[in-house]
Amino acid sequence: SYVLTQPPSVSVAPGQTARITCGGNNSGSKSVHWYQQRPGQAPALVIHNDNDRPSGIPERFSGSNSANTATLTISRVEAGDEADYYCQVWDSTSDHWVFGGGTKLTVL
Amino acid sequence: QVQLQESGPGLVKPSETLSLTCTVSGGSITGHYWNWIRQPPGQGLEWIGYFYFAGTTNYNPSLKSRVTISADTSKNQFSLKLSSVTAADTAVYYCARGIVGAMFFDYWGQGKLVAVSS
Repeated sequence: SYVLTQPPSVSVAPGQTARITCGGNNSGSKSVHWYQQRPGQAPALVIHNDNDRPSGIPERFSGSNSANTATLTISRVEAGDEADYYCQVWDSTSDHWVFGGGTKLTVL
Repeated sequence: QVQLQESGPGLVKPSETLSLTCTVSGGSITGHYWNWIRQPPGQGLEWIGYFYFAGTTNYNPSLKSRVTISADTSKNQFSLKLSSVTAADTAVYYCARGIVGAMFFDYWGQGKLVAVSS
């Protein structure tokens, strides 16, 4: 089955740039989606199709996907960005939906 | 605006069957993929499976032998049944809509905590 690997945690100071990676075999050939989950809340989509933002998501959130790694980039990080972030793909081979293990973003 | 709401018992005994329903408002379930996703306390997200409006289903292999997802289009609801539960099935269960083609989840329910305990 397809596996997505994320670092357990990333820390960044306010105003700096956070980069959260998501590794998967040939992920560049798939569409990668990203969700933000604040404590006690349901996940919310922040990036879809590698680098598209749903309406209401700030331009500070962007994504990229190449070769075996997708990256969520959050520019000018704010305290309110502190949350868990999950990447997700659809594996066409198995018709299964797959999540990465999640990354806790801490704003110092 | 599409809204999803999970409902069902918050406590299930070991070896019994967990049953949850997701009620969809603001849109019809006769389109897209209708999914169940769970999150054990302090852990990550796990996709359980989906019901596709054309009548097909697909499940996570790790749960496939115990899971059934079905839908009642007349009530605009879909349901999850997970049999022979153990404490490892204690989790927040989410229902979510999966977009046909793009294959991401755009709308989620608020989640339902289900504990497995005697």
